[in-house]
Amino acid sequence: DIQMTQSPSSLSASVGDTVSITCRASQTISSYLNWYQQRPGKAPKLLIYAASTLRSGVPSRFSGSRSGTDFTLTISNLHPEDFATYHCQQSYTAPRTFGQGTKVEIK
Amino acid sequence: QLQLQESGPGLVKPSETLSLTCTVSGDSITSSRYYWGWIRQPPGKGLEYIGGIYNSGSTYDNPSLKSRVTMSLDTSKNQFSLKLTSMTAADTAIYFCVSDFWSGYPYFDYWGPGTLVTVSS
Repeated sequence: DIQMTQSPSSLSASVGDTVSITCRASQTISSYLNWYQQRPGKAPKLLIYAASTLRSGVPSRFSGSRSGTDFTLTISNLHPEDFATYHCQQSYTAPRTFGQGTKVEIK
Repeated sequence: QLQLQESGPGLVKPSETLSLTCTVSGDSITSSRYYWGWIRQPPGKGLEYIGGIYNSGSTYDNPSLKSRVTMSLDTSKNQFSLKLTSMTAADTAIYFCVSDFWSGYPYFDYWGPGTLVTVSS
């Protein structure tokens, strides 16, 4: 199975900050990388697919990028509703696998 | 827009079989655009893909579950189902049904709200 390693596991930030979350794949996955946001007690929601394509309706302060097997989710100008857990997930090969999640908390 | 809703027991005894159903609205489960899948999340932990089923009935399940998984479709009710045998405490989790969009770059685009399944005697 392809291992997805997210870092950090948690971070603290303030409203208006810019934060970045990294996801590293254990082997090449091309751009088959998706990002999800999960608020407490809720199901995850798709934010970004194909490493950098924003899902329709997702605010433009969310962006994704790729460098080899490293992927980054950047959230600019943090809003209060952005404090949540973020998960990366590869869809390059079966079984689909997820990172362990990164919790973005209010400082 | 798709909507998915899980249903099933919240409590299962060890060694028993879990049966969950997902009701889909907003599109037909015979759609060629989707696999229909299951994902679980143990309390406070990460997400694990269980498996998925296509409109042809072909399935894929995660080898980590060692052939304990059976999935099926009920086109008359626009539902799909999961059976997971030999349940143990390690299977305690929130179970989500998902639409697995098969574009050039697949992704899970809609999720049910999830249902907590606890394994306990």
